[in-house]
Amino acid sequence: DTGVSQDPRHKITKRGQNVTFRCDPISEHNRLYWYRQTLGQGPEFLTYFQNEAQLEKSRLLSDRFSAERPKGSFSTLEIQRTEQGDSAMYLCASSPQENYGYTFGSGTRLTVV
Amino acid sequence: GEDVEQSLFLSVREGDSSVINCTYTDSSSTYLYWYKQEPGAGLQLLTYIFSNMDMKQDQRLTVLLNKKDKHLSLRIADTQTGDSAIYFCASTRRALTFGSGTRLQVQP
Repeated sequence: DTGVSQDPRHKITKRGQNVTFRCDPISEHNRLYWYRQTLGQGPEFLTYFQNEAQLEKSRLLSDRFSAERPKGSFSTLEIQRTEQGDSAMYLCASSPQENYGYTFGSGTRLTVV
Repeated sequence: GEDVEQSLFLSVREGDSSVINCTYTDSSSTYLYWYKQEPGAGLQLLTYIFSNMDMKQDQRLTVLLNKKDKHLSLRIADTQTGDSAIYFCASTRRALTFGSGTRLQVQP
């Protein structure tokens, strides 16, 4: 069990650039979640997938954000035209089904300069 | 108001018990969870309780649930310096909704 892997661990980008993060969940987990966490706050829900289907998106997820899980395995989160307010830790989690505790990855820390 | 609320900070002495409190709004939550986050690390699932239970004990951890008042607590017995971290309470809708976290500081 390799856990949930996220890549990269850190990303520094200039305002206006696009960035893409990757998440590899635990292989037998059907559900995959993306959260964003800023300093001093709890994780905020962004979106989740059951297999390849994106079932819910938070209103926090503006049209600059897009997430995919094309084959129901790994997922990518892309942010277009990054803004300084996008600076945060982006966390991915997976679970085998609804109402099971999530296993979180270590996150990708994004800094927009 | 916020869906899940927690106090921000708790300081205890090593060996004492810690009690971290949480209130939530979603009465349909099936499970309620406690997560721990150490500096620079991801979230670690500590324990959870099913909504039809009042109490769950897991080694040094005791979870109490008052469903009527929508109040959840986490008691850590014999608190150690290694327990210093941020503790998050989470309720369940389609996805977990987290509180802002309680920073636990354990003084030697």
